[in-house]
Amino acid sequence: QSVLTQPPSVSAAPGQKVTISCSGTSSNIGDNYVSWYQQLPGTAPQLLIYDNHKRPSGIPDRFSGSKSGTSATLGITGLQIGDEADYYCATWDITLNTGVFGGGTKLTVL
Amino acid sequence: EVQLVESGGDLVKPGGSLRLSCTASGFSFSSHAMNWVRQAPGKGLEWVSSISSGSSHIDYAESLKGRFTISRDNAKNSLYLQMNSLRGEDTAVYYCARDATPFLYGLATYDYWGQGTLVTVSS
Repeated sequence: QSVLTQPPSVSAAPGQKVTISCSGTSSNIGDNYVSWYQQLPGTAPQLLIYDNHKRPSGIPDRFSGSKSGTSATLGITGLQIGDEADYYCATWDITLNTGVFGGGTKLTVL
Repeated sequence: EVQLVESGGDLVKPGGSLRLSCTASGFSFSSHAMNWVRQAPGKGLEWVSSISSGSSHIDYAESLKGRFTISRDNAKNSLYLQMNSLRGEDTAVYYCARDATPFLYGLATYDYWGQGTLVTVSS
């Protein structure tokens, strides 16, 4: 059981938009920045979003992030087949004094 | 170019020990907190442990306390994970990951990852 809660799967058609939610508590998302990671099949995770909404160099602006209270959201517009991957949210929990991840969301582009 | 290369993964019997290493290059290793994250077969990411740039702060997942020890050698640009009393549920790919912001700790933003090393615990 992950500390952060994500939907197990989402799907949408190419060109459409999808959002992935990440729910936590005041001890984690409510008190720290959220980051998002994309993991393509058979590869290591890659940082997509940090500090709730910032994109590292090289990440297209089709990817966006937001945070409100104890929840965060990853948005992906203009979906491409290549976006099919597992997506994870992460943050630090100040009560547990540990890093925490969401359980991951599998994105299918139909 | 930032590179993180893990090594040391192997097949080990339950109750056995293993030491993982992560060799860093392409950045000032001594300036960044470092982390171990694992992924069991077909499962999600699980945070294992973090160590601050100067080793003054160290944290572990609650379930691993007392069995795993994280350490680093800044002179050798290396991160380590000593794993003792291994169990079947420790079977996973272990990734080392760099904290994005120099000299800060506890932000859980991992900007570079290694390719991972596989640990299999089985008799």
